[in-house]
Amino acid sequence: DAKTTQPTSMDCAEGRAANLPCNHSTISGNEYVYWYRQIHSQGPQYIIHGLKNNETNEMASLIITEDRKSSTLILPHATLRDTAVYYCIVRDQGGSYIPTFGRGTSLIVHP
Amino acid sequence: DVKVTQSSRYLVKRTGEKVFLECVQDMDHENMFWYRQDPGLGLRLIYFSYDVKMKEKGDIPEGYSVSREKKERFSLILESASTNQTSMYLCASSSDGRSTGELFFGEGSRLTVL
Repeated sequence: DAKTTQPTSMDCAEGRAANLPCNHSTISGNEYVYWYRQIHSQGPQYIIHGLKNNETNEMASLIITEDRKSSTLILPHATLRDTAVYYCIVRDQGGSYIPTFGRGTSLIVHP
Repeated sequence: DVKVTQSSRYLVKRTGEKVFLECVQDMDHENMFWYRQDPGLGLRLIYFSYDVKMKEKGDIPEGYSVSREKKERFSLILESASTNQTSMYLCASSSDGRSTGELFFGEGSRLTVL
């Protein structure tokens, strides 16, 4: 089973921030949180990852709680092209690992 | 630009046929993975490989085998295709040496078994 839980679906108005939550209550100290998204009929695409600190790149921001048991992916100004399934996974970057995906969150951005 | 290439986007096969799904990556990655994706079930790991000639079973290996004779190529084999193997198949690769360690996915191969 996936080590993360996410809401099945969410929706957001175009131009507004989309905040996608993820629970990873069993995360261990050396595991990172990774986010991917999958646009319909394409392979998943890496978005961002983090360990403890909040992270930001050109695609999104990642907020990780102090206890690291949950995180939120923020798309600051959602567009229609952000409509996709978003996956949150945890992995140990230090060595070999088995990346396990859950069912993700289906985000619909509407006009 | 880094790339994971899957040999076929769409395949239609008959029950009992032997099916080969090929995946090639040009990033010199050590790790390669095969997933299948079905509606409502997310991505499920079939097999993975951390090195040439090495393979490990994932969550749903039954009915599948794999081959990794060269570092850049990871093949998924359906010895005798069945209708319940109709699915989207996704190949991915990653490197232990990269600082980000993310997975790179191919575009997927949609297999229909009649």
